[in-house]
Amino acid sequence: GQNIDQPTEMTATEGAIVQINCTYQTSGFNGLFWYQQHAGEAPTFLSYNVLDGLEEKGRFSSFLSRSKGYSYLLLKELQMKDSASYLCAPMDSNYQLIWGAGTKLIIKP
Amino acid sequence: GAVVSQHPSWVICKSGTSVKIECRSLDFQATTMFWYRQFPKQSLMLMATSNEGSKATYEQGVEKDKFLINHASLTLSTLTVTSAHPEDSSFYICSARSGKIAYEQYFGPGTRLTVT
Repeated sequence: GQNIDQPTEMTATEGAIVQINCTYQTSGFNGLFWYQQHAGEAPTFLSYNVLDGLEEKGRFSSFLSRSKGYSYLLLKELQMKDSASYLCAPMDSNYQLIWGAGTKLIIKP
Repeated sequence: GAVVSQHPSWVICKSGTSVKIECRSLDFQATTMFWYRQFPKQSLMLMATSNEGSKATYEQGVEKDKFLINHASLTLSTLTVTSAHPEDSSFYICSARSGKIAYEQYFGPGTRLTVT
């Protein structure tokens, strides 16, 4: 079967760094997306990895290891507005995104 | 760029009535649009994939006669919830694939449906 495993909830302090891990199992693989979703809103695109390694984009970086079925999202210089759910979504062989429940990130002052 | 709109943003309807939700790609052509449903604190659930000019492909367990999807043009897809019931109350989100960046899906703002 296909599944995503992410921590349900994480807490971090404003200004700090947090890493959100994701392990996945899919039928085929065509890259992995990270989305941010604030409560009551639709997801917004953060990053896409298709090759192994680290992709950096401002305060956010995303890492992929295809052989391990593993990815992480790294958020630096945390701000209160970063409080949201973070969704790891690999794409399977049919180019369908596989969604888990995401990680709810709580930022404290 | 790559903006997707949804209308209405929220709707309340009576049980037994039908509701239509529109999804539009504003600044790009979307050959494929997706319809999702999300219950509180749960993951996105793909309902159907819609390709312009052809019938939608529904996921297992989604009633195609209840959730009518029409993708009439490269910028518009509609979802009609027919004979709505309280259990259909949910957050409905559409997304569109632009094809410019590796199958990235751009999401609309969502429509919150409440059936009384």
